[in-house]
Amino acid sequence: DIVMTQSPFSLAVSEGEMVTINCKSSQSLLSSGNQKNYLAWYQQKPGQSPKLLIYYASTRQSGVPDRFIGSGSGTDFTLTISDVQAEDLADYYCLQHYSYPDTFGAGTKLELK
Amino acid sequence: EVQLVESGGGLVQPGRSLKLSCVASGFTFSNYGMNWIRQAPGKGLEWVAYISSGSSYIYYAETVKGRFTISRDNAKNTLYLQMTSLRSEDTALYYCARRDVMDAWGQGASVTVSS
Repeated sequence: DIVMTQSPFSLAVSEGEMVTINCKSSQSLLSSGNQKNYLAWYQQKPGQSPKLLIYYASTRQSGVPDRFIGSGSGTDFTLTISDVQAEDLADYYCLQHYSYPDTFGAGTKLELK
Repeated sequence: EVQLVESGGGLVQPGRSLKLSCVASGFTFSNYGMNWIRQAPGKGLEWVAYISSGSSYIYYAETVKGRFTISRDNAKNTLYLQMTSLRSEDTALYYCARRDVMDAWGQGASVTVSS
């Protein structure tokens, strides 16, 4: 199984700051066939279902603000949130869907400083 | 509007069975693979199972393999999760989610396994 190591576990930020969340996979998530990385990022606010933010490592889902940026390839991936807003306070998860079983990172809790 | 609505959760004793349903609307259900994902109280997300659009491909997490069965009825736009031999560690909120990138999620069905 592919292990997803997500860091940090939690992050305290002030509005307007930039934050980065990292995910490292135990195997490459890059498909040689289509050159896509099978890595997605989700946001989960308290009491809500997860919401897809980024897929194929860097493609923003429709309607997601452009302050959310996904980057990386192979085994190392980053979610960057520039100009953090109060509404961004949530848990964030990465997911690899390169091979079954799909595996999530442990999550990062973004809190207000 | 894409909608996924889970139902069938509840309180069940260890060793017993329960069947969850997920009714889809707002898209052509038969064109999409579907997943079940669960989240234990206060914990992270755990993928449970996947079924392809035509049910040809099915995959399970090791933690549920042999006990849970994913299925679908495309005529009814409904995804199912039959859960047997339930354990306390199966206690969680169970979500259905659309396709490999999980671009749409339901609100979840709560399953509590306790005597």
